[in-house]
Amino acid sequence: AQSVTQLDSQVPVFEEAPVELRCNYSSSVSVYLFWYVQYPNQGLQLLLKYLSGSTLVKGINGFEAEFNKSQTSFHLRKPSVHISDTAEYFCAVTLSGAGSYQLTFGKGTKLSVIP
Amino acid sequence: DTGVSQDPRHKITKRGQNVTFRCDPISEHNRLYWYRQTLGQGPEFLTYFQNEAQLEKSRLLSDRFSAERPKGSFSTLEIQRTEQGDSAMYLCASSLGSGEGEKLFFGSGTQLSVL
Repeated sequence: AQSVTQLDSQVPVFEEAPVELRCNYSSSVSVYLFWYVQYPNQGLQLLLKYLSGSTLVKGINGFEAEFNKSQTSFHLRKPSVHISDTAEYFCAVTLSGAGSYQLTFGKGTKLSVIP
Repeated sequence: DTGVSQDPRHKITKRGQNVTFRCDPISEHNRLYWYRQTLGQGPEFLTYFQNEAQLEKSRLLSDRFSAERPKGSFSTLEIQRTEQGDSAMYLCASSLGSGEGEKLFFGSGTQLSVL
């Protein structure tokens, strides 16, 4: 079975500074990887996803992530954060080609942007 | 696109009572998912429908839980004989059904508190 580890439960960062939210996954077969964001009192929204092809994936709101198969990582980055990026971020994985549609989520990382 | 709506937003019940939640997906979406999220954890998959057929069920979905999606439109999740451990946020999501790795659209959830 696949699993996801988000290494930091909370990440404080000053406005306009860069940020990296770390995600490692475990799976014996090929996977699809996702980052979802949850703003306060809102449903989860997809930021970006990796299915195949280029390992650098760009998403909404200036976020990007890099798939690293050898390190089984899918870290999320943004070069300059804004106050509005304050939210909880979830990394998720699903098996590719298995006909399964269930996502396995990490525990989440709370990003706090400090003015 | 009015988004995924869930009702009620909050439900407080006494242990042993039955509760039912409703989810209305985005109208053209033929896939519907239920997830459960407890404090400090990421969402955990419960079940998935393709139109009216329930195709995947998690082992988390004990025999006290039942989900339906009559006519492939809205869905209901019923919990019988609630226990304190059922207290959680119940999330519904829907997707277009275009293939693996597609984007899920989440509702804001139903927060269940079992006293």
